[in-house]
Amino acid sequence: EIVMTQSPATLSVSPGERATLSCRASQSVSSNLAWYQQKPGQAPRLLIYGASTRATGIPARFSGSGSGTEFTLTISSLQSEDFAVYYCQQYNNWPPNFGGGTKVEIK
Amino acid sequence: QVQLVQSGSELKKPGASVKVSCKASGYTFTSYAMNWVRQAPGQGLEWMGWINTNTGNPTYAQGFTGRFVFSLDTSVSTAYLQISSLKAEDTAVYYCARELPVVVPAASCAFDIWGQGTMVTVSS
Repeated sequence: EIVMTQSPATLSVSPGERATLSCRASQSVSSNLAWYQQKPGQAPRLLIYGASTRATGIPARFSGSGSGTEFTLTISSLQSEDFAVYYCQQYNNWPPNFGGGTKVEIK
Repeated sequence: QVQLVQSGSELKKPGASVKVSCKASGYTFTSYAMNWVRQAPGQGLEWMGWINTNTGNPTYAQGFTGRFVFSLDTSVSTAYLQISSLKAEDTAVYYCARELPVVVPAASCAFDIWGQGTMVTVSS
């Protein structure tokens, strides 16, 4: 099973600043990686798939990059509604598992 | 619009069973695989498995075999998760999630539409 490791566990950012979240896979997952946002009491929402393709309706301030084992989600200018937990997920191999999450909180 | 609507919260005693429903609307139900994801209180997301909505064939992740059953009723565009012999550690929010079609070499694809989640609480 591929292990997905996200860092940092918590990221403190001021509104308007840039946030950079990392996700590492224990072996190559090619570009078969997705990012999700989850707010308290809500279901996860797909942000990025294919490592860099924004899902329908996702603002351009969200961008994904990377391939193989190292991936990054960048939020260019944090808005108040972006404070949430973010998960990466690989779907290159069975099982399509998730990372432990990064909580983005207000600084 | 495209959506998945799940059944409401459940409170069950240990040893009982529960059946969670996930009704799809706004798209052709049999054109997309359906996945199930568990989230224990304060924890991350755990993939439970998926069901082929064309054939009804389920695949279970390790740790979700035996007591967990995925099923379908395609006549009403609904997927089901049944858990038997409930234990306290089954207390969690259970999500159904639609999977995007696999168009590149990969085992699976991302989950683009999620149900709102069903809280299952197991307590005596």
